[in-house]
Amino acid sequence: GQSLEQPSEVTAVEGAIVQINCTYQTSGFYGLSWYQQHDGGAPTFLSYNALDGLEETGRFSSFLSRSDSYGYLLLQELQMKDSASYFCAVNNQGGKLIFGQGTELSVKP
Amino acid sequence: DAMVIQNPRYQVTQFGKPVTLSCSQTLNHNVMYWYQQKSSQAPKLLFHYYDKDFNNEADTPDNFQSRRPNTSFCFLDIRSPGLGDAAMYLCATGEGRSNQPQHFGDGTRLSIL
Repeated sequence: GQSLEQPSEVTAVEGAIVQINCTYQTSGFYGLSWYQQHDGGAPTFLSYNALDGLEETGRFSSFLSRSDSYGYLLLQELQMKDSASYFCAVNNQGGKLIFGQGTELSVKP
Repeated sequence: DAMVIQNPRYQVTQFGKPVTLSCSQTLNHNVMYWYQQKSSQAPKLLFHYYDKDFNNEADTPDNFQSRRPNTSFCFLDIRSPGLGDAAMYLCATGEGRSNQPQHFGDGTRLSIL
């Protein structure tokens, strides 16, 4: 079977750093993506890792360890607007995505 | 400018009455995907078109059908909606390569009366 595990919710304060972990078990793995979804909105692409290591894009970074089937999304200098759901997703052949259940991030003042 | 456009944003239909949701794209992507997302759950892939080739997921009910008349447009048809089909339906496009992101529309929220 295919499964992704991530925490259901995380709470942090403005200006803090938060890490959202994701472990996966899938058949066929080309990479790990992260998407952000605000309530009632569309998922938007944040980051993608095909190889082990850290990818940095502004305040957001994503890490992958293929040998551990593990990745995380790191959000720095948290802002209120970062309150949203964050989904890790395994990239399969042909661009298909298998999503985790999502982590709801609440940023408090 | 919106690149993946879904209409309408909100759709209400009656139990058992066929309904069609539409999606259009200006990205000229090869692949168009349809997802179902229920509250506080992950988007679940229903099917996708790679160009004109239709690819159904194994667990997608027969009640769900799709059409792609040209590169820009894709439709989701629900032949006999049941109460369990109330959800957000998301359309996405992509280049069909594993290292390229998908681009999502804002979704259509379907309610069943």
